[in-house]
Amino acid sequence: AQKITQTQPGMFVQEKEAVTLDCTYDTSDQSYGLFWYKQPSSGEMIFLIYQGSYDEQNATEGRYSLNFQKARKSANLVISASQLGDSAMYFCAMRVSYGNNRLAFGKGNQVVVIP
Amino acid sequence: SQTIHQWPATLVQPVGSPLSLECTVEGTSNPNLYWYRQAAGRGLQLLFYSVGIGQISSEVPQNLSASRPQDRQFILSSKKLLLSDSGFYLCAWRRWKGSNYGYTFGSGTRLTVV
Repeated sequence: AQKITQTQPGMFVQEKEAVTLDCTYDTSDQSYGLFWYKQPSSGEMIFLIYQGSYDEQNATEGRYSLNFQKARKSANLVISASQLGDSAMYFCAMRVSYGNNRLAFGKGNQVVVIP
Repeated sequence: SQTIHQWPATLVQPVGSPLSLECTVEGTSNPNLYWYRQAAGRGLQLLFYSVGIGQISSEVPQNLSASRPQDRQFILSSKKLLLSDSGFYLCAWRRWKGSNYGYTFGSGTRLTVV
């Protein structure tokens, strides 16, 4: 079974600083996708960034980048220049290529950006 | 444009009452649709998924059920709610292609069973 692990406790980040959120995964699939979602207090799940298992370059989307280390099975999210609006829960998720193409989620990381 | 709608946003229901949550997608056809539940402070758990009309797969045995009566409509139901059914329910749609590849979620329904 696929497993996503996010073990960091809640984090306080100074505004304008960078923050790295750790995510490790476990799968026997060769083809899979990794996602990061942001969930503010309103509850909506906001897509941030995607990395395919065959992508050779790390994904970037604006202030978000994904540090993909395939051999170590890690997919850490880096948020540069934190903003107050970045305060939220962040979830790492993995899509598997067979069956229903489900997303399996980690338990999330709470980030609070302080001015 | 492609959008996903989910309602109601908030629901308070007594134990033993029925439930119906609706999710609809616009701007696409034959989408893969998913129902997830999020308990307080936890990650998302997949409940049901559907690859087409009338095709439902259940991930977790429970007193909930799902139906897909139309191509872009996905309904989560229960005949009798339990206290343990409280949570945040999210419908999701898998986008197949484009720069926004991924899974788009509805705005969610916060269900409290009392």
